Amino acid sequence: DIVMTQSPDSLAVSLGEGATINCKSSQSVLYSSNNKNYLAWYQQKPGQPPKVLIYWASIRESGVPDRFSGSGSGTDFTLSISSLQAEDVAVYYCQQYYSPPSTFGQGTTVEIK
Amino acid sequence: EEQLVESGGGLVKPGGSLRLSCAAPGFSFSIYSMNWVRQAPGKGLEWVSFISSSSSTIYYADSVKGRFTVSRDNVKNSLYLQMNSLRAEDTAVYYCARDFYCSDTSCSVLWGQGTMVTVSS
Repeated sequence: DIVMTQSPDSLAVSLGEGATINCKSSQSVLYSSNNKNYLAWYQQKPGQPPKVLIYWASIRESGVPDRFSGSGSGTDFTLSISSLQAEDVAVYYCQQYYSPPSTFGQGTTVEIK
Repeated sequence: EEQLVESGGGLVKPGGSLRLSCAAPGFSFSIYSMNWVRQAPGKGLEWVSFISSSSSTIYYADSVKGRFTVSRDNVKNSLYLQMNSLRAEDTAVYYCARDFYCSDTSCSVLWGQGTMVTVSS
């Protein structure tokens, strides 16, 4: 199975400041046939299921604010929040869907400083 | 509307059994691979089991292998998880999740709201 490792485990950011979460996979999740990275980012708030923010490493899901962006390729990926809002307080997970089983990072908790 | 609706959770004693169901109205269930994912209280997401659209490929997490059995009924548009020999560490919210499905231009995924399983004496 592909192992996903996120860093940091938690971070505290002031409102309006940027936040960066990293995700590393134990093997490449880049499909050479279409040059797409099979990596997704989720946001999860208490009592709710995860909500997908980003897929193919950098494509925002419909309705996701543009302050969320994803980047990276191969084995190293980043989720950036450009200007943290109060409603962004949540746990964020990366997930690879390159090959089953789809595995998750351990999660990163984002809080307000 | 596409949705996944889990049921069957509850309180069970250690060593007991439970069968979870996931109803999948609103989309062509039979063409999608499906997953069970769980989340223990205050913990992260843990993938539990995968089943391909035709049930020809099945995977389990090591933590549940030999105790849990995933199945599906493409006529009833339903996914199941039979959980035997339950342990306290199986206590979690269990989510049914449709596997990512990608066309040339986009991907989609779908999660249910989850059902709580509590293993306690």
